[in-house]
This record gives sequence, structure tokens and C-alpha cells, in this order.
Amino acid sequence: AQKVTQAQTEISVVEKEDVTLDCVYETRDTTYYLFWYKQPPSGELVFLIRRNSFDEQNEISGRYSWNFQKSTSSFNFTITASQVVDSAVYFCALSEAFLDSNYQLIWGAGTKLIIKP
Amino acid sequence: SAVISQKPSRDICQRGTSLTIQCQVDSQVTMMFWYRQQPGQSLTLIATANQGSEATYESGFVIDKFPISRPNLTFSTLTVSNMSPEDSSIYLCSVGEPRNEQFFGPGTRLTVL
Repeated sequence: AQKVTQAQTEISVVEKEDVTLDCVYETRDTTYYLFWYKQPPSGELVFLIRRNSFDEQNEISGRYSWNFQKSTSSFNFTITASQVVDSAVYFCALSEAFLDSNYQLIWGAGTKLIIKP
Repeated sequence: SAVISQKPSRDICQRGTSLTIQCQVDSQVTMMFWYRQQPGQSLTLIATANQGSEATYESGFVIDKFPISRPNLTFSTLTVSNMSPEDSSIYLCSVGEPRNEQFFGPGTRLTVL
């Protein structure tokens, strides 16, 4: 069965430190999609990235980078030189292609990231 | 990306009453979703609402408790019926297409006394 595990419930770092949020997934499908979302204290969910299972290239967007490794079923998210504004709950999610007719995202439990000034 | 609005943004209700939450999208979308997020928890899908068909409910959610309407491709409502304090949550609507990201509304914060 499909599952997303974010083992880190809460991480606290000092501003300017680098921090990595872990995401491990389980799926029976060979074609699937992985996502990261940010939920700041305001509550609105912000889409960060989508990655399909055939694209194992790492992605970098400014201070954000993502490391996708199919061999370990992981899709980890790193924030470089963290800032207070990065404080939020971050969710990893999975979608399997065969669920086209009843498309849904499988969500991890979320990791609360606290950046201290 | 779609722009999604929800009404009300928050409400405090008495037990036994019902609340209807509206979700409006600025473009036509096929699939709309309703989620519940209890304090400090992840998202739980309540149902998928496609225009022109009955909503598809996830395990643990029933139409009598959470009736959903989807009259057109830009609008949907979720009603929380006969509320109890356990229904206190954030309710989120989202839109998306298969294999693609979902975009979320700002949420409705519901407190039931």
C-alpha cells in the first residue's frame, strides 16, 4: 500500500543553518509523483515542487533543493542558509498514476520547522 | 495556478447546528477536493467532487454528515451537519488534475462549542 513517512516531527535550528527534511515513501507503482508543500502559520498550503518517478535529477530553487533517490525511496528537502520566514510545517505527498480516475494525494504527517533568530 | 477563495474564513458554531462552506475557483476545473485538517495533524481527504456526478467520499466520511454540492466547474460547497466539538478543524478545498499538483484555498477554521 502507498504510504509517506516524515519521521521528523519537529526540527529547530538557528537562522542561517542548513536543514534537511526527510521524506520516505512506499508505492507499488512504477509511475508516481512526489510533492512538497509548505504550510506557514497563516495556514494556507503552498505548493513547492512536483517530481515524477522517471526524473531523478536533483532540483534546486534558490535556497531550496530536493534530493530524489529511488533506490532508497526518499525525496528529501534541504533549505540552505535558513531564515525565520522558513518557519512552517512542511508536508511531503505522493500520487500514484494508476489512481487517475480517483486522483488523490497521500500525505505525510508533516515536519514542523522552527527557525530561531 | 488557480486562485481559490473560501467562505467563511472562520466561524464559531453551536453543537447541533450546520455550517456550509463555499469554495470558489477563478477558472474551470474538473476535480475539486475537500479536506479536513485537525489541529497539529496532516490533511485527511473527505471527498472528491466532480461536476455532474455525486461526490466520492473517503472511508469514515458519509454524505449525511458532509453533504457536498458541485453545481458548476468553478464552485463547490461542503456542509458540516449536526456539528459536535469533534468537528472543530480547518476545512480546505483544493483543485487539481491527475498526476499534477493540487492548489489549495486559504481554509475555513471551524470551532464548535
